[in-house]
Amino acid sequence: NAGVTQTPKFQVLKTGQSMTLQCAQDMNHEYMSWYRQDPGMGLRLIHYSVGAGITDQGEVPNGYNVSRSTTEDFPLRLLSAAPSQTSVYFCASTELGQGGYGYTFGSGTRLTVV
Amino acid sequence: AQTVTQSQPEMSVQEAETVTLSCTYDTSESNYYLFWYKQPPSRQMILVIRQEAYKQQNATENRFSVNFQKAAKSFSLKISDSQLGDTAMYFCAFIGGSQGNLIFGKGTKLSVKP
Repeated sequence: NAGVTQTPKFQVLKTGQSMTLQCAQDMNHEYMSWYRQDPGMGLRLIHYSVGAGITDQGEVPNGYNVSRSTTEDFPLRLLSAAPSQTSVYFCASTELGQGGYGYTFGSGTRLTVV
Repeated sequence: AQTVTQSQPEMSVQEAETVTLSCTYDTSESNYYLFWYKQPPSRQMILVIRQEAYKQQNATENRFSVNFQKAAKSFSLKISDSQLGDTAMYFCAFIGGSQGNLIFGKGTKLSVKP
């Protein structure tokens, strides 16, 4: 049981480049989400999804796109990377309605935009 | 809006001693859940302990316990017999109901000194 798998673990981008951070879970969780972690800011919610075909914005959605075509996958797209998007990104999932029991987190992606 | 506040950016404790990390939150929800997550240098997010708001009894997990003061909206974490492996970032987190989004505080960096 792999849980939540994020790829890549590290990435360096040039300003203006685009890329997709991958997130996959094998627990059949309906709820998936993306957070970014910055020093002194904790984890802030970017986007989330409550099922295939359904996505919504979190606290800091600007500059990011998501889609959810399958239950398993929830990719995060940076359309035109900016230095302000340098961060550590976490994907997390849980069963819908079971968030009170905690989320399962991926191991994170450290992204540097130069 | 729901908020989570951790007022101690950094703390340190001697090995084998006890330390308490503070967390306050604000919500108008009557049903919610509170968590403490540990993030060691490996970056992995590890659930330490959870508390259901409607349960008056404070949660305990081995050396970790909470002091949940519902009226004061306070949720502190006590670590007893601190160990070097407890060195990590600790995040307080909140979820309103069972289908809300997980909201994090800014974190407390705990150093356990030999």
